[in-house]
Amino acid sequence: KQEVTQIPAALSVPEGENLVLNCSFTDSAIYNLQWFRQDPGKGLTSLLLIQSSQREQTSGRLNASLDKSSGRSTLYIAASQPGDSATYLCAVRPEEYGNKLVFGAGTILRVKS
Amino acid sequence: NAGVTQTPKFRVLKTGQSMTLLCAQDMNHEYMYWYRQDPGMGLRLIHYSVGEGTTAKGEVPDGYNVSRLKKQNFLLGLESAAPSQTSVYFCASSYSTLFPVDYEQYFGPGTRLTVT
Repeated sequence: KQEVTQIPAALSVPEGENLVLNCSFTDSAIYNLQWFRQDPGKGLTSLLLIQSSQREQTSGRLNASLDKSSGRSTLYIAASQPGDSATYLCAVRPEEYGNKLVFGAGTILRVKS
Repeated sequence: NAGVTQTPKFRVLKTGQSMTLLCAQDMNHEYMYWYRQDPGMGLRLIHYSVGEGTTAKGEVPDGYNVSRLKKQNFLLGLESAAPSQTSVYFCASSYSTLFPVDYEQYFGPGTRLTVT
């Protein structure tokens, strides 16, 4: 059964710092991996989607990498801002389940001004 | 373009009561999903649909039923609510997910349900 783990569970950093969020998954047979952002009391917003054949995706100050063979992904946030404060979730789409996403529990990020 | 909308936003039920959550999307997406989110557990898939008139079970389907009578709507029903169903429920939609072409899932704002 596919399991997704995110470390750390919570992170607090000063504004301007570069940071890395980690995601690991137990089964490398995936179609893709997605990173989402969730603000308190709100739904999820997709940040980046990495197909299984890709190594990384970039959007603005965000860069996500995927190492399928080792079951790891990282989300790099450059020059963090208070507006980046949110919960960040990663999810994989396992080949076994087709249409389903398996989510990690998330990392709660706080960027202090 | 409203995206994915959910009604209601909040609801409190007594044990044994029933209710229906409504999800609507205006993006002409084929696929729709219902998830629940519990503290420390991430989101888990309850049911999903790959097109009008179709439904399928997800990871945690027990105690829930769904219907997709129209392409734009996906309903989640609780026939006899239990305290274990206290959660935040999210609906999502996407274009078809035929590998290798894959599409993002778009999420609604959620429904916070408390069962006492």
